[in-house]
Parts: sequence; structure tokens; C-alpha cells
Amino acid sequence: ETGVTQTPRHLVMGMTNKKSLKCEQHLGHNAMYWYKQSAKKPLELMFVYSLEERVENNSVPSRFSPECPNSSHLFLHLHTLQPEDSALYLCASSQGMTGELFFGEGSRLTVL
Amino acid sequence: QKEVEQNSGPLSVPEGAIASLNCTYSDRGSQSFFWYRQYSGKSPELIMFIYSNGDKEDGRFTAQLNKASQYVSLLIRDSQPSDSATYLCAAGVYGQNFVFGPGTRLSVLP
Repeated sequence: ETGVTQTPRHLVMGMTNKKSLKCEQHLGHNAMYWYKQSAKKPLELMFVYSLEERVENNSVPSRFSPECPNSSHLFLHLHTLQPEDSALYLCASSQGMTGELFFGEGSRLTVL
Repeated sequence: QKEVEQNSGPLSVPEGAIASLNCTYSDRGSQSFFWYRQYSGKSPELIMFIYSNGDKEDGRFTAQLNKASQYVSLLIRDSQPSDSATYLCAAGVYGQNFVFGPGTRLSVLP
């Protein structure tokens, strides 16, 4: 495996479900990110982990809960989501908090 | 609030022409600027970055930065249909959050 991999690629869930998105990077980077991409809106930064510590949380609702057990893995736990949370969720990594991000292919989430 | 603005397009250019993509940013403290390309249904990929005023060339791509005007541009020479994608501009400072623009959709017509 190379680069940044995300699973699942597609997820459909009801508003009462609990699910998790997984991200793994094989680049030896020390920073990992979750971004949300909605139609016709800029990429929105949700969470940043640098050296396994959360350094940014952009006022994200508590129904999104990140977890970074080590520098190679990042999770986004989802519970009681709303239909407006339907979007493409992108994981990225970088060496240091530069703007040189390497993105995974994304997880397309649909909330019914 | 820090913002990065781009014309959403679509910007249509004929094959072989120069495509010019523009970006402005609100935070005068921004020091690093990035251009990403995103094909439909794919994730963004970095194509260029620029830190200093002036031009930076990489193959058919040239990034231009004017910090006084808070303006960044990307020129694509000899545009090809394979360049058709959405181009995202990002601005920020090392160690802090980088802000993305909404992207400009480029269509290169054969």
C-alpha cells in the first residue's frame, strides 16, 4: 500500500447509526487531517493531528469524533448525523503542518 | 475570517491555449500558497507551491505571486483536454491551518 488510503469509499447511514471512517497513511508523515467537501463549497478543515495530538478543531459538531491512535492512523467516528452531513470526507497527511497535503481518495457519506 | 476567493468558472479554453487561473486571499500574513488539481470524482493532488513574489515555473505550469496585491495565479501553457479539472488555491502559514478557495473549474476544448 502506498500513499493515503481511506475506508470505506462509500457509506450510507441512517440518522441513528454509529459508523467510523478510517484513514491510513504510508508516507511517514507526522500530521493528519480530516476535511469535509460539500458541493460548491470550499474544503472545510475539521480536525488536525500533529505528532498524534489534536491541534485544531474548527467548531465541528460533537456528532463527529476523531481518534488518532498513532501517526499512521486516523479515524472519524460518526453518530446521530444529520442529512446535511452528507458529503465527501477527505483524509490528508503532511510532514509538518505545511500546505503540502497528500489526500486519500475520500469517503462519500450519505445520511438518510 | 481568513478567506480565499476564486472564480468558480467554468473557464473554457481551446486546446493549445494558455489557461489563466486566479486567486485572491484576505490574510496578509499568508506566506505559502498552493495549487491543487481535482479531477471529477477524485481527491485533490498538489501541482505547485510558491512562497516568494514573482514567478515559479514547472513544465507547462507557472505560478505567480504578488503579495502586495494578495494575488496568486496559475498559468497552464499548451492546455490539454487532460487538464480539464477543478483547480483549488490554498493559502496559509506553516504550522497553522491552510485555507482553501472554492476552486475554479477548467474545461479544455479539443
